[in-house]
Amino acid sequence: DAMVIQNPRYQVTQFGKPVTLSCSQTLNHNVMYWYQQKSSQAPKLLFHYYDKDFNNEADTPDNFQSRRPNTSFCFLDIRSPGLGDAAMYLCATSRDWGAGLDNEQFFGPGTRLTVL
Amino acid sequence: SQQGEEDPQALSIQEGENATMNCSYKTSINNLQWYRQNSGRGLVHLILIRSNEREKHSGRLRVTLDTSKKSSSLLITASRAADTASYFCATDAYSGAGSYQLTFGKGTKLSVIP
Repeated sequence: DAMVIQNPRYQVTQFGKPVTLSCSQTLNHNVMYWYQQKSSQAPKLLFHYYDKDFNNEADTPDNFQSRRPNTSFCFLDIRSPGLGDAAMYLCATSRDWGAGLDNEQFFGPGTRLTVL
Repeated sequence: SQQGEEDPQALSIQEGENATMNCSYKTSINNLQWYRQNSGRGLVHLILIRSNEREKHSGRLRVTLDTSKKSSSLLITASRAADTASYFCATDAYSGAGSYQLTFGKGTKLSVIP
């Protein structure tokens, strides 16, 4: 089945130690997204790629970076994780992006990040 | 902010009853979507309603949209224990500088008691 896969499902890192989360999709969608979700809160968009075009949300900290080496894969790099970065990180895809389009998003299961 | 606000924050009902969740938002939208999230999992898309639509059905789900009141409701009929989850509304709208964004509300936590 076509899907969005996230690895690992659980990641533990130390304060300040760089960590990379990965996402892959078999849906062949143009757009990939990274969201941060803290407990009992709404998912918050960090950035998205439309194909290779990177779009950073204005309030996404510089500590967060992303790479999309090809259509299928997207990575979230946290350069120096702080305690406040502990959260669920959700990857999502959509076929397209823009006004007048039905841009439903397909989510992976998430990676829960713990910062010690 | 475009952020939708769900009401109530939490809802507990008996199996077989109907569950209604409401969502309000602030500005013009392209469409409004509802998602479900089981505990500790990713979100699953349930239904999308366009800004020019007023009502939509999918199985046991019924969504209404009132753009004049900037509000939407999600009705789940004949609820089941498996419907226990958090439900999020999300508004798809232009966010400036040629950018579009899906903005999620904080969600309604639904508990269906067997």
